[in-house]
Amino acid sequence: DTGVSQDPRHKITKRGQNVTFRCDPISEHNRLYWYRQTLGQGPEFLTYFQNEAQLEKSRLLSNRFSAERPKGSFSTLEIQRTEQGDSAMYLCAVTGRDPYEQYFGPGTRLTVT
Amino acid sequence: SQQGEEDPQALSIQEGENATMNCSYKTSINNLQWYRQNSGRGLVHLILIRSNEREKHSGRLRVTLDTSKKSSSLLITASRAADTASYFCATDGRDNYGQNFVFGPGTRLSVLP
Repeated sequence: DTGVSQDPRHKITKRGQNVTFRCDPISEHNRLYWYRQTLGQGPEFLTYFQNEAQLEKSRLLSNRFSAERPKGSFSTLEIQRTEQGDSAMYLCAVTGRDPYEQYFGPGTRLTVT
Repeated sequence: SQQGEEDPQALSIQEGENATMNCSYKTSINNLQWYRQNSGRGLVHLILIRSNEREKHSGRLRVTLDTSKKSSSLLITASRAADTASYFCATDGRDNYGQNFVFGPGTRLSVLP
């Protein structure tokens, strides 16, 4: 158990709908990351936060994606106007005592029909 | 494209044998990490090696880093069936666009009893 929960675990949505995912670390973590993973591939970096500040965002990320971490604890990832290509596992990770080691949550599997 | 590239893509060995996986990357890095992912489960952090380190051990794991060749290797000694998983290298570095966190496509290891 990494102490990171994600909600929902599965989401099926129709193309064009908006979806929001939530990541909840059980304790305070400075850094929080969002990744996307498709079958047979490694995770693809989306964005990361240092406390409540969003410090980096993948330059390949569509502007339909937005993330927030309003109080420096939990985070949300929203995808607007979903497309079938958005179907993937969305992973959240936080750092522990070492500022670079990342501990991943179980992920939210998104299916866009 | 992802800068981390693992080699081989798939590896099948007998229980008790050693398994070696390699990773190459393209940009300067602060550190390199190896993760394991069992089928249908989350990513688990295995080991981190910093850019000024050349070798690191953790239990049956041995990681090397050659920054001049931009490559790393992960050795698992005395493999067990429970080691069957996908193994990913991940780099924490910088490119022309800023800080980046890049995972490779992974090596699928099968340890046969």
